[in-house]
Amino acid sequence: AQSVAQPEDQVNVAEGNPLTVKCTYSVSGNPYLFWYVQYPNRGLQFLLKYITGDNLVKGSYGFEAEFNKSQTSFHLKKPSALVSDSALYFCAVRDHGPNSGYSTLTFGKGTMLLVSP
Amino acid sequence: AAGVIQSPRHLIKEKRETATLKCYPIPRHDTVYWYQQGPGQDPQFLISFYEKMQSDKGSIPDRFSAQQFSDYHSELNMSSLELGDSALYFCASSTGQRSSYEQYFGPGTRLTVT
Repeated sequence: AQSVAQPEDQVNVAEGNPLTVKCTYSVSGNPYLFWYVQYPNRGLQFLLKYITGDNLVKGSYGFEAEFNKSQTSFHLKKPSALVSDSALYFCAVRDHGPNSGYSTLTFGKGTMLLVSP
Repeated sequence: AAGVIQSPRHLIKEKRETATLKCYPIPRHDTVYWYQQGPGQDPQFLISFYEKMQSDKGSIPDRFSAQQFSDYHSELNMSSLELGDSALYFCASSTGQRSSYEQYFGPGTRLTVT
Protein backbone atom coordinates (compact mmCIF):
# COMPACT_ATOMS: atom_id res chain seq x y z
CA ALA A 1 0.00 0.00 0.00
CA GLN A 2 1.12 3.51 -0.69
CA SER A 3 0.71 6.50 1.58
CA VAL A 4 1.67 10.13 1.95
CA ALA A 5 2.22 12.14 5.11
CA GLN A 6 2.15 15.90 5.36
CA PRO A 7 3.12 16.51 8.98
CA GLU A 8 2.05 20.15 9.12
CA ASP A 9 -1.58 21.18 8.91
CA GLN A 10 -0.51 24.78 8.40
CA VAL A 11 2.65 26.65 7.51
CA ASN A 12 2.99 30.37 8.17
CA VAL A 13 5.62 32.45 6.43
CA ALA A 14 6.19 36.14 5.80
CA GLU A 15 6.20 37.44 2.26
CA GLY A 16 9.67 37.40 0.76
CA ASN A 17 10.89 34.63 3.03
CA PRO A 18 11.64 31.12 1.81
CA LEU A 19 8.98 28.49 2.35
CA THR A 20 9.03 24.74 2.77
CA VAL A 21 6.03 22.41 2.83
CA LYS A 22 6.98 18.94 3.98
CA CYS A 23 5.96 15.61 2.50
CA THR A 24 7.06 12.04 3.15
CA TYR A 25 5.86 8.99 1.33
CA SER A 26 5.71 5.23 1.50
CA VAL A 27 5.51 2.92 -1.52
CA SER A 28 6.48 -0.65 -2.24
CA GLY A 29 8.15 0.15 -5.54
CA ASN A 30 9.53 3.25 -7.16
CA PRO A 31 7.58 6.41 -6.40
CA TYR A 32 6.16 8.95 -8.74
CA LEU A 33 5.58 12.11 -6.71
CA PHE A 34 3.38 15.10 -7.39
CA TRP A 35 2.49 18.42 -5.82
CA TYR A 36 -0.87 20.07 -6.38
CA VAL A 37 -2.25 23.39 -5.13
CA GLN A 38 -5.88 24.12 -4.36
CA TYR A 39 -7.31 27.60 -4.02
CA PRO A 40 -10.65 28.05 -2.21
CA ASN A 41 -13.58 26.52 -4.08
CA ARG A 42 -11.33 25.57 -6.96
CA GLY A 43 -9.94 22.41 -8.46
CA LEU A 44 -6.45 21.11 -7.90
CA GLN A 45 -3.73 22.61 -10.05
CA PHE A 46 -0.68 20.56 -10.97
CA LEU A 47 2.58 22.18 -9.79
CA LEU A 48 5.34 19.68 -10.46
CA LYS A 49 6.29 16.02 -10.43
CA TYR A 50 9.25 13.75 -9.87
CA ILE A 51 9.55 10.72 -12.10
CA THR A 52 13.25 10.05 -12.41
CA GLY A 53 16.53 11.86 -12.91
CA ASP A 54 17.56 15.05 -11.16
CA ASN A 55 16.40 15.09 -7.55
CA LEU A 56 15.56 18.80 -7.74
CA VAL A 57 12.42 19.37 -9.75
CA LYS A 58 11.28 22.81 -10.87
CA GLY A 59 7.63 23.57 -11.43
CA SER A 60 5.09 26.29 -11.91
CA TYR A 61 5.04 29.70 -10.17
CA GLY A 62 8.64 29.41 -8.97
CA PHE A 63 8.06 26.30 -6.89
CA GLU A 64 10.54 23.45 -6.71
CA ALA A 65 10.75 20.19 -4.82
CA GLU A 66 13.60 17.99 -3.75
CA PHE A 67 13.31 14.21 -3.92
CA ASN A 68 15.28 12.45 -1.19
CA LYS A 69 15.13 8.69 -1.53
CA SER A 70 16.93 7.88 1.72
CA GLN A 71 14.56 10.05 3.72
CA THR A 72 11.54 9.16 1.53
CA SER A 73 10.73 12.85 1.31
CA PHE A 74 9.59 15.25 -1.38
CA HIS A 75 9.47 18.68 0.24
CA LEU A 76 8.04 21.62 -1.69
CA LYS A 77 10.08 24.81 -1.62
CA LYS A 78 10.09 28.35 -2.90
CA PRO A 79 12.91 30.85 -2.35
CA SER A 80 10.65 33.88 -1.84
CA ALA A 81 7.00 33.52 -0.85
CA LEU A 82 4.19 35.69 -2.20
CA VAL A 83 0.90 36.50 -0.49
CA SER A 84 -0.79 34.99 -3.54
CA ASP A 85 0.86 31.65 -2.75
CA SER A 86 -1.53 31.26 0.18
CA ALA A 87 -3.51 28.11 -0.57
CA LEU A 88 -3.87 24.43 0.28
CA TYR A 89 -1.05 22.23 -0.95
CA PHE A 90 -1.34 18.51 -1.54
CA CYS A 91 1.47 16.04 -1.99
CA ALA A 92 0.55 12.86 -3.87
CA VAL A 93 2.20 9.60 -4.82
CA ARG A 94 1.70 6.85 -7.36
CA ASP A 95 3.53 3.56 -7.12
CA HIS A 96 5.27 2.03 -10.07
CA GLY A 97 5.90 -1.43 -8.72
CA PRO A 98 7.60 -4.19 -10.70
CA ASN A 99 4.33 -5.74 -11.84
CA SER A 100 2.30 -2.68 -12.69
CA GLY A 101 2.58 0.24 -14.99
CA TYR A 102 0.07 2.32 -13.12
CA SER A 103 -1.63 2.75 -9.81
CA THR A 104 -4.04 5.11 -8.16
CA LEU A 105 -3.01 8.56 -6.98
CA THR A 106 -2.89 8.83 -3.19
CA PHE A 107 -2.97 12.27 -1.61
CA GLY A 108 -1.69 13.54 1.69
CA LYS A 109 -4.07 15.39 4.02
CA GLY A 110 -2.92 18.75 2.72
CA THR A 111 -1.02 21.68 4.22
CA MET A 112 -2.47 25.15 4.36
CA LEU A 113 0.15 27.74 3.47
CA LEU A 114 -0.47 31.23 4.80
CA VAL A 115 1.82 33.99 3.57
CA SER A 116 1.52 37.23 5.50
CA PRO A 117 2.30 40.64 3.97
CA ALA B 1 -5.33 25.87 -23.15
CA ALA B 2 -8.44 23.77 -22.80
CA GLY B 3 -9.12 22.40 -19.35
CA VAL B 4 -11.28 19.71 -17.84
CA ILE B 5 -14.92 20.74 -17.84
CA GLN B 6 -17.38 19.58 -15.22
CA SER B 7 -21.09 20.15 -15.05
CA PRO B 8 -22.99 21.18 -13.16
CA ARG B 9 -20.77 23.24 -10.89
CA HIS B 10 -23.28 23.15 -8.08
CA LEU B 11 -26.04 20.67 -7.36
CA ILE B 12 -28.54 20.47 -4.54
CA LYS B 13 -30.46 17.25 -4.05
CA GLU B 14 -32.60 15.72 -1.36
CA LYS B 15 -31.99 12.44 0.37
CA ARG B 16 -32.82 9.37 -1.71
CA GLU B 17 -32.72 11.35 -4.95
CA THR B 18 -30.37 10.64 -7.84
CA ALA B 19 -27.70 12.84 -9.39
CA THR B 20 -25.60 12.72 -12.54
CA LEU B 21 -22.28 14.51 -12.77
CA LYS B 22 -20.59 15.05 -16.11
CA CYS B 23 -16.94 15.39 -17.02
CA TYR B 24 -15.38 16.43 -20.31
CA PRO B 25 -11.64 15.70 -20.35
CA ILE B 26 -8.95 17.74 -22.00
CA PRO B 27 -8.93 17.01 -25.76
CA ARG B 28 -6.85 13.91 -26.62
CA HIS B 29 -6.87 12.74 -23.02
CA ASP B 30 -8.12 9.17 -22.91
CA THR B 31 -8.09 8.55 -19.17
CA VAL B 32 -10.59 9.94 -16.69
CA TYR B 33 -10.55 9.77 -12.90
CA TRP B 34 -13.24 10.63 -10.35
CA TYR B 35 -12.47 11.85 -6.84
CA GLN B 36 -14.57 12.82 -3.84
CA GLN B 37 -13.36 15.51 -1.47
CA GLY B 38 -15.25 15.95 1.78
CA PRO B 39 -14.99 19.19 3.78
CA GLY B 40 -11.45 19.64 5.02
CA GLN B 41 -10.42 16.31 3.53
CA ASP B 42 -8.00 15.18 0.88
CA PRO B 43 -9.42 13.91 -2.41
CA GLN B 44 -10.37 10.24 -2.32
CA PHE B 45 -10.16 8.21 -5.50
CA LEU B 46 -13.44 6.72 -6.65
CA ILE B 47 -13.00 5.19 -10.08
CA SER B 48 -11.08 5.59 -13.33
CA PHE B 49 -11.52 4.80 -17.01
CA TYR B 50 -9.00 4.25 -19.77
CA GLU B 51 -10.13 4.08 -23.37
CA LYS B 52 -13.75 3.73 -22.27
CA MET B 53 -13.07 0.76 -20.01
CA GLN B 54 -13.01 0.84 -16.24
CA SER B 55 -9.36 0.65 -15.26
CA ASP B 56 -9.39 0.96 -11.48
CA LYS B 57 -11.82 1.18 -8.64
CA GLY B 58 -11.39 2.90 -5.31
CA SER B 59 -13.77 3.72 -2.52
CA ILE B 60 -16.82 4.13 -4.70
CA PRO B 61 -20.09 3.14 -3.01
CA ASP B 62 -22.26 0.53 -4.71
CA ARG B 63 -24.93 3.23 -5.08
CA PHE B 64 -22.64 5.03 -7.51
CA SER B 65 -21.80 4.01 -11.04
CA ALA B 66 -19.84 5.62 -13.81
CA GLN B 67 -18.96 5.18 -17.42
CA GLN B 68 -16.86 6.71 -20.14
CA PHE B 69 -18.43 7.31 -23.52
CA SER B 70 -17.10 7.07 -27.06
CA ASP B 71 -16.20 10.78 -27.04
CA TYR B 72 -14.25 10.16 -23.80
CA HIS B 73 -16.54 12.19 -21.61
CA SER B 74 -17.58 10.51 -18.41
CA GLU B 75 -20.62 10.52 -16.17
CA LEU B 76 -20.88 9.67 -12.50
CA ASN B 77 -24.34 8.46 -11.53
CA MET B 78 -25.29 8.62 -7.89
CA SER B 79 -28.46 7.05 -6.54
CA SER B 80 -30.19 6.92 -3.17
CA LEU B 81 -28.26 9.98 -2.09
CA GLU B 82 -27.32 10.28 1.56
CA LEU B 83 -26.35 13.33 3.60
CA GLY B 84 -22.80 11.99 3.73
CA ASP B 85 -22.52 12.22 -0.04
CA SER B 86 -22.31 16.00 0.26
CA ALA B 87 -18.85 16.80 -1.06
CA LEU B 88 -16.84 18.26 -3.88
CA TYR B 89 -16.55 15.81 -6.75
CA PHE B 90 -13.58 16.21 -9.02
CA CYS B 91 -12.91 14.76 -12.38
CA ALA B 92 -9.35 14.58 -13.68
CA SER B 93 -7.92 13.51 -17.00
CA SER B 94 -4.56 12.44 -18.34
CA THR B 95 -3.00 11.34 -21.60
CA GLY B 96 -2.80 7.75 -20.42
CA GLN B 97 -3.03 5.67 -17.31
CA ARG B 98 0.67 5.32 -16.60
CA SER B 99 1.68 6.38 -13.11
CA SER B 100 4.16 8.91 -14.47
CA TYR B 101 1.46 10.95 -16.13
CA GLU B 102 0.12 13.90 -14.19
CA GLN B 103 -3.60 14.32 -13.83
CA TYR B 104 -5.34 17.56 -14.66
CA PHE B 105 -8.30 18.37 -12.50
CA GLY B 106 -11.56 20.07 -13.31
CA PRO B 107 -13.11 22.76 -11.11
CA GLY B 108 -15.32 20.24 -9.38
CA THR B 109 -19.04 19.80 -8.77
CA ARG B 110 -20.22 20.75 -5.32
CA LEU B 111 -23.01 18.39 -4.34
CA THR B 112 -25.17 19.26 -1.38
CA VAL B 113 -27.63 16.67 -0.14
CA THR B 114 -30.37 17.98 2.15
